[in-house]
Amino acid sequence: DAGVIQSPRHEVTEMGQEVTLRCKPISGHDYLFWYRQTMMRGLELLIYFNNNVPIDDSGMPEDRFSAKMPNASFSTLKIQPSEPRDSAVYFCASRSDGNNQPQHFGDGTRLSIL
Amino acid sequence: SQQGEEDPQALSIQEGENATMNCSYKTSINNLQWYRQNSGRGLVHLILIRSNEREKHSGRLRVTLDTSKKSSSLLITASRAADTASYFCATQAAGNKLTFGGGTRVLVKP
Repeated sequence: DAGVIQSPRHEVTEMGQEVTLRCKPISGHDYLFWYRQTMMRGLELLIYFNNNVPIDDSGMPEDRFSAKMPNASFSTLKIQPSEPRDSAVYFCASRSDGNNQPQHFGDGTRLSIL
Repeated sequence: SQQGEEDPQALSIQEGENATMNCSYKTSINNLQWYRQNSGRGLVHLILIRSNEREKHSGRLRVTLDTSKKSSSLLITASRAADTASYFCATQAAGNKLTFGGGTRVLVKP
């Protein structure tokens, strides 16, 4: 299996621009998670989906962040407008259904907002 | 807030030595998981231990869980330079969310 695929790997953009991060989960996985990792705050869960439906978005920092999962093989995380404090590494992870299943992570998108 | 807290924050050892890191957490859990993260890469799942298990092995990895003390340890035996990475514990309580600790940075010197 190809694993979780994220794109782009790196993104540098100016403050105020819209940023779209993309994720393709492992085929057959029912759960998809978006995380943000920074030195100061560590790894934070932003939102997760089950069968393409958002279940818990309590970690989304503010209304500038939105996430969608239009089908089982694709999800996006958008930031509009972006701010320098959004600079971080964003990870997508997926997991199969059932108890005691591990999460499988992509290699992340390193986002820098200037 | 972080559920799991790893100790130590950083660890430097010689190749061939054992590395031990600990994780403490605050609430009841269904399972506890350990992940490794190499620089510039995503997290890789190492081992999962359920709340009713006390010890688990996988290759050179040994994980213990003490639910009465709300703590876990990860032991890497006969370390190699390739084990240089950050190691994270993550707890899963009721529900589907994992809560990660801050990680232990391990440096294995050849």
